Amino acid sequence: GQQVMQIPQYQHVQEGEDFTTYCNSSTTLSNIQWYKQRPGGHPVFLIQLVKSGEVKKQKRLTFQFGEAKKNSSLHITATQTTDVGTYFCAGQGEGGSEKLVFGKGTKLTVNP
Amino acid sequence: NAGVMQNPRHLVRRRGQEARLRCSPMKGHSHVYWYRQLPEEGLKFMVYLQKENIIDESGMPKERFSAEFPKEGPSILRIQQVVRGDSAAYFCASSPSVRRSGSGNEQFFGPGTRLTVL
Repeated sequence: GQQVMQIPQYQHVQEGEDFTTYCNSSTTLSNIQWYKQRPGGHPVFLIQLVKSGEVKKQKRLTFQFGEAKKNSSLHITATQTTDVGTYFCAGQGEGGSEKLVFGKGTKLTVNP
Repeated sequence: NAGVMQNPRHLVRRRGQEARLRCSPMKGHSHVYWYRQLPEEGLKFMVYLQKENIIDESGMPKERFSAEFPKEGPSILRIQQVVRGDSAAYFCASSPSVRRSGSGNEQFFGPGTRLTVL
């Protein structure tokens, strides 16, 4: 079945440093979604990427979808303490299934 | 507009008891998804339901677990004869019914139910 791998599992940065998490699917995706979960909280939708090679920006966050629609990345510029949390990618396979397959997430901690 | 509601937020059960987890989707949403999350792990898909129908239950254990989404009322995830390995956070998410081809619906998550089996 479809698998979604995400690296790194943990990332610890100093405030102001950049951060990147990578996501790779075993199969071609229809779309990929990114979610953020704060400690003790629930996942919150950040963005969805649909097109091959798509790049989207949200302030300091940049999301990319690979040309083959099998990988994606999230890059945060100049991290802040409010960026702390776990970032998950979630892929939806081709074929019309509504099922989302989540990566294990990257847990980001930021030292002030 | 109220978000996805789940109750209870915390549930403690002894081995062998039954656990019932409830989820009320956002107003206007007819798709409900259940996920399980172990500490330091990602979310594992369990089941996808629409009103009165189970669409995809490929992530549900074959025994002891069942889910429903009746015409009236919340969606229920039921775990019979709980064991310690069932201890986890169970999240429900909902999404609207219409989606454009190729794109997916963002899923709105509830606060989760933390199940502890003693």
